[in-house]
Amino acid sequence: DTGVSQNPRHKITKRGQNVTFRCDPISEHNRLYWYRQTLGQGPEFLTYFQNEAQLEKSRLLSDRFSAERPKGSFSTLEIQRTEQGDSAMYLCASSSGSGPNTIYFGEGSWLTVV
Amino acid sequence: ELKVEQNPLFLSMQEGKNYTIYCNYSTTSDRLYWYRQDPGKSLESLFVLLSNGAVKQEGRLMASLDTKARLSTLHITAAVHDLSATYFCAALGYNTDKLIFGTGTRLQVFP
Repeated sequence: DTGVSQNPRHKITKRGQNVTFRCDPISEHNRLYWYRQTLGQGPEFLTYFQNEAQLEKSRLLSDRFSAERPKGSFSTLEIQRTEQGDSAMYLCASSSGSGPNTIYFGEGSWLTVV
Repeated sequence: ELKVEQNPLFLSMQEGKNYTIYCNYSTTSDRLYWYRQDPGKSLESLFVLLSNGAVKQEGRLMASLDTKARLSTLHITAAVHDLSATYFCAALGYNTDKLIFGTGTRLQVFP
């Protein structure tokens, strides 16, 4: 078990471009979460999947953001027409949904919009 | 709406000393998490507290939960430099899987 894997780890993009991040959760974890963290702040919830179903979305997730988990395994988070305010670390996490339900976070994907 | 507050926001402590970080949450929560984050890194899970009166210990860190007071504490015993990091508590909303984080406590341990 290699933990939650995210890529790319770093992305620099020009304002207005689209970016996509990928998350591979711990195998057999049916729950997958996306969070966003800016410098000096705690992570903010974006969205959550149970298997392939997207069950919750934050109001932070504007129309420019979309997340998918097509087969209940990996997930993608796409940001369209990026803005400088999108610069942040995007964190993916997963959990098994049973027992103590520890939620494990990946290393994060840093986005810089210039 | 569930809100989580931590204090202090910043803690500078001498090696060997003890201190406590406090985490208050505003509404009923199913469980409480503590995480550690080193600069530029992701979040490392420390503790998951599931019920009132739960206490967990790992090395120099001990976490407890009082659901009636909506309070969790992270106690540091005989601090060492390696504990320098930012510590977050996070509460799971009632009947939801949305984890709400506090603002974090930045801990610096000096000789």
